[in-house]
Amino acid sequence: DAKTTQPTSMDCAEGRAANLPCNHSTISGNEYVYWYRQIHSQGPQYIIHGLKNNETNEMASLIITEDRKSSTLILPHATLRDTAVYYCIVRPENNNDMRFGAGTRLTVKP
Amino acid sequence: NAGVTQTPKFRILKIGQSMTLQCTQDMNHNYMYWYRQDPGMGLKLIYYSVGAGITDKGEVPNGYNVSRSTTEDFPLRLELAAPSQTSVYFCASSYGGGRTDEQYFGPGTRLTVT
Repeated sequence: DAKTTQPTSMDCAEGRAANLPCNHSTISGNEYVYWYRQIHSQGPQYIIHGLKNNETNEMASLIITEDRKSSTLILPHATLRDTAVYYCIVRPENNNDMRFGAGTRLTVKP
Repeated sequence: NAGVTQTPKFRILKIGQSMTLQCTQDMNHNYMYWYRQDPGMGLKLIYYSVGAGITDKGEVPNGYNVSRSTTEDFPLRLELAAPSQTSVYFCASSYGGGRTDEQYFGPGTRLTVT
């Protein structure tokens, strides 16, 4: 199954856009890219997902490169409550086994 | 809706003891999942269920058992607790388990085996 590579940690100033990158160079053509986040000790929370096209919802935007080998999650106006670990996940063929890596620890600073 | 609820929130077990972690969802979801998360690591899938009476192994099933007698409940059983099972356990549910299906997670159970 495809694996993802994310930076271990990132900082962002409050009110600025947070851009979280993810590499998934071995992704298959029918695999989706999902993003979840986990705020300290809580259960993960779904953010957004996409296949080929860029996606936007009330929480974030997802930009997927044309070759689908990488993507970027964008939080347009980061707040202190966005401090969390962000997981980029490629959904495997069997649909039921999401592989969470170590994620990116985003710290939003005042 | 309460979403996904888990009990207990915390538990300390002695080596060799048994316990059941409870998980209930009120969203009428077909799919339910159990994950474990070790310190500083991502989540790993233990077992999942695609409906009442149907369960299957995930990435790390050894040392655990599950059952799914109702749509709402998906308990996880530890028969002979070992220190390696010290972890935070998350239950999740989703409507259909498809590629576009988001999972809803419970608050977790923090288990220590000593």
